[in-house]
Amino acid sequence: KAGVTQTPRYLIKTRGQQVTLSCSPISGHRSVSWYQQTPGQGLQFLFEYFSETQRNKGNFPGRFSGRQFSNSRSEMNVSTLELGDSALYLCASSIGDRNTGELFFGEGSRLTVL
Amino acid sequence: AQKITQTQPGMFVQEKEAVTLDCTYDTSDPSYGLFWYKQPSSGEMIFLIYQGSYDQQNATEGRYSLNFQKARKSANLVISASQLGDSAMYFCAMREGEAEGGGADGLTFGKGTHLIIQP
Repeated sequence: KAGVTQTPRYLIKTRGQQVTLSCSPISGHRSVSWYQQTPGQGLQFLFEYFSETQRNKGNFPGRFSGRQFSNSRSEMNVSTLELGDSALYLCASSIGDRNTGELFFGEGSRLTVL
Repeated sequence: AQKITQTQPGMFVQEKEAVTLDCTYDTSDPSYGLFWYKQPSSGEMIFLIYQGSYDQQNATEGRYSLNFQKARKSANLVISASQLGDSAMYFCAMREGEAEGGGADGLTFGKGTHLIIQP
């Protein structure tokens, strides 16, 4: 079956702009979580959505937001972009049952802020 | 304090040798899950193996096995018969609060180990 799909794969924005990234989970998976990866901070948890509700949130400012649709697809938005937001943004999907251990990532969206 | 510690920033290994990647973790939660991911230069995080804190046996997936030593809070990844395609970054991660029906935070990742397999 198809894996986790993230779009766009690459994008360049300037400071102050906003960006929306999209994630389509594996069919049947109801949980989508987002991570930011930078050389300095490594991989950090942004938030998780399950059945259209934010279930958990990491320690990021309010400029980072997300949502999940009824088909489990998710979007994340970053407003008022800063240079430090340049990163690889990874989306992961799982069935939603934390006991299964299934958590699969997409290829990521690489954001460059100039 | 670091929740996930990977002490080997980089490793060089000869092809066909076995590899052990170290991971120690820190948690007071009795219910947690441990994950290993491989990240090649393309950026995709590839799931390798999972171990639940209540699992009695060490997890295995093909050439990958997880040496789970609960008392030592250690979850080392063992790759048997390494191949050139195993060259990548390897991340150990933990998710706390794995109890059924309970809330759980996202994954906490280690800094990673850059593994290079030499022919």
